[in-house]
Amino acid sequence: AQSVTQPDIHITVSEGASLELRCNYSYGATPYLFWYVQSPGQGLQLLLKYFSGDTLVQGIKGFEAEFKRSQSSFNLRKPSVHWSDAAEYFCAVGGGGGADGLTFGKGTHLIIQP
Amino acid sequence: NAGVTQTPKFRVLKTGQSMTLLCAQDMNHEYMYWYRQDPGMGLRLIHYSVGEGTTAKGEVPDGYNVSRLKKQNFLLGLESAAPSQTSVYFCASSVLAGSTDTQYFGPGTRLTVL
Repeated sequence: AQSVTQPDIHITVSEGASLELRCNYSYGATPYLFWYVQSPGQGLQLLLKYFSGDTLVQGIKGFEAEFKRSQSSFNLRKPSVHWSDAAEYFCAVGGGGGADGLTFGKGTHLIIQP
Repeated sequence: NAGVTQTPKFRVLKTGQSMTLLCAQDMNHEYMYWYRQDPGMGLRLIHYSVGEGTTAKGEVPDGYNVSRLKKQNFLLGLESAAPSQTSVYFCASSVLAGSTDTQYFGPGTRLTVL
């Protein structure tokens, strides 16, 4: 069965500092990987996704993520965070063309210090 | 385009009461999903639909029923609400199979069962 682990429940970062959110997945075949962001009281919005090709993918709002097959990881990064980046971040894995959606991690809550 | 909308935004029920949550999308998507989000649990798939007139069970279907009589609408029903169903419910839709495609989420319905 597929699974996603986000090891950090909470992360606190100073505004302007760099950010890395960790995601490890377990999937038997070629994974489709996603990062979603959830602002307080809102639904989820896609930041970026990886299907194939270049292992470094660019997303919206200045985020990027790198797929490392050998480490089963898909970590999310941003060089300089802004106060508006405070949110819940979810990593998700899918694949195989199944209609039953994605498997989500439990999320990482990002706090931005002024 | 409104995207994915959910009705109502908030609801309080007493144990044993019934209710229906409505999800509507105006993007002509084939695939639709209902998730629940609980603290520290991420999102878990309740039911999904691969097209008008079809429904299927997800990871946590017990206590819920769904219907997709029209392509743009996906209804989630609770016949006899229980406190364990207190949660935030999200609807999502996608063009292609959800395990490989971007899902578009509604703003959520916060349900409390007393």
